[in-house]
Amino acid sequence: NAGVMQNPRHLVRRRGQEARLRCSPMKGHSHVYWYRQLPEEGLKFMVYLQKENIIDESGMPKERFSAEFPKEGPSILRIQQVVRGDSAAYFCASSPISTGELFFGEGSRLTVL
Amino acid sequence: AQSVTQPDIHITVSEGASLELRCNYSYGATPYLFWYVQSPGQGLQLLLKYFSGDTLVQGIKGFEAEFKRSQSSFNLRKPSVHWSDAAEYFCAVGIGAGNTGKLIFGQGTTLQVKP
Repeated sequence: NAGVMQNPRHLVRRRGQEARLRCSPMKGHSHVYWYRQLPEEGLKFMVYLQKENIIDESGMPKERFSAEFPKEGPSILRIQQVVRGDSAAYFCASSPISTGELFFGEGSRLTVL
Repeated sequence: AQSVTQPDIHITVSEGASLELRCNYSYGATPYLFWYVQSPGQGLQLLLKYFSGDTLVQGIKGFEAEFKRSQSSFNLRKPSVHWSDAAEYFCAVGIGAGNTGKLIFGQGTTLQVKP
């Protein structure tokens, strides 16, 4: 029973490039959350999605960031025109229903040069 | 404002000693409370949670936590620490109405275990 799968685990981008982070939730889970962990900080909520719907994106930066969870395939967090301040670990979590019991992936660590 | 405070950034204990990690929260309604553990380079693993009922909750790996409403606290305890417990520990509160997957995390406490 695979856990939450995130890829890539590590991603290096130059300023101005695009970063795409993928997340496959646990089998049977239809709720996906993205969190960001900046250096020396705790995790910050970014967005909550269900299949084909964005439920809560109150933690997403207003520009350059977008997320989707299509009917088929993984959830994707997309960062356009990356800047150095986007360097962080991005964690995806899933839950079977909105219970708060989240199962986290191992994270995608983005480094912007 | 909603917040979670973990007053101790780093804690060092000897193997076999008892442990208490502090967590205070600020939230207007009845909180959903969680403790997660993160090993280096890994994701977060849920240790335990409190939704309602008995204020002393048991979790995995021998951990427990006690919810004290009067003190707005949810401290994590373990009677005897093992070297494998060295990790970073995060307290969190669920803030989404009907969606407790939206969490506010504390800044974490790094636990070091001395042999």
